[in-house]
Amino acid sequence: AQSVTQPDIHITVSEGASLELRCNYSYGATPYLFWYVQSPGQGLQLLLKYFSGDTLVQGIKGFEAEFKRSQSSFNLRKPSVHWSDAAEYFCAVGARGTDKLIFGTGTRLQVFP
Amino acid sequence: ETGVTQSPTHLIKTRGQQVTLRCSSQSGHNTVSWYQQALGQGPQFIFQYYREEENGRGNFPPRFSGLQFPNYSSELNVNALELDDSALYLCASSLDDSEQFFGPGTRLTVL
Repeated sequence: AQSVTQPDIHITVSEGASLELRCNYSYGATPYLFWYVQSPGQGLQLLLKYFSGDTLVQGIKGFEAEFKRSQSSFNLRKPSVHWSDAAEYFCAVGARGTDKLIFGTGTRLQVFP
Repeated sequence: ETGVTQSPTHLIKTRGQQVTLRCSSQSGHNTVSWYQQALGQGPQFIFQYYREEENGRGNFPPRFSGLQFPNYSSELNVNALELDDSALYLCASSLDDSEQFFGPGTRLTVL
């Protein structure tokens, strides 16, 4: 079955600390992988995507993610978190860029000053 | 370049009623996908339209239906509303095999 698992429902970090959000997927074909961010009451904004090539991808707002095929993982990282990064983060997988996306249940990030 | 817009922003309906949600895709985009996001959950794929034809459907009953117009804008219709239909409905547009761009969503409350 196709699925995305985000094991951490809620993460709290201090401003300036490093961050890693976990994402594991189960997908039969070669996956297209995405990380989206959602602020309260807002739609989804794409942070970064992986289609092929270099397994370490850079995104907006200083985020990066690493695709590890052997672990079926696509973890999101940021070296130094800012208070404005507080939001809900969703990992998603699809067969192509425009194919239906399968989302995880999200990780809520809280940032303390 | 105008992004994806959705209307209305919020909507309150009662059980059994029908609702129509609207989405204007980003300029030049020919594909529209609809997602339902229940409170505390990730979005779930409802269906996709490509050049006015349905191009894939998720695990939603037939009372969820849609349309895409020649200008590639789209509607989502839900008949016989149930309490569990309360959710944020997200529309995303894309061009061919490019990434999907999401709108701000319509918050539907069913009482």
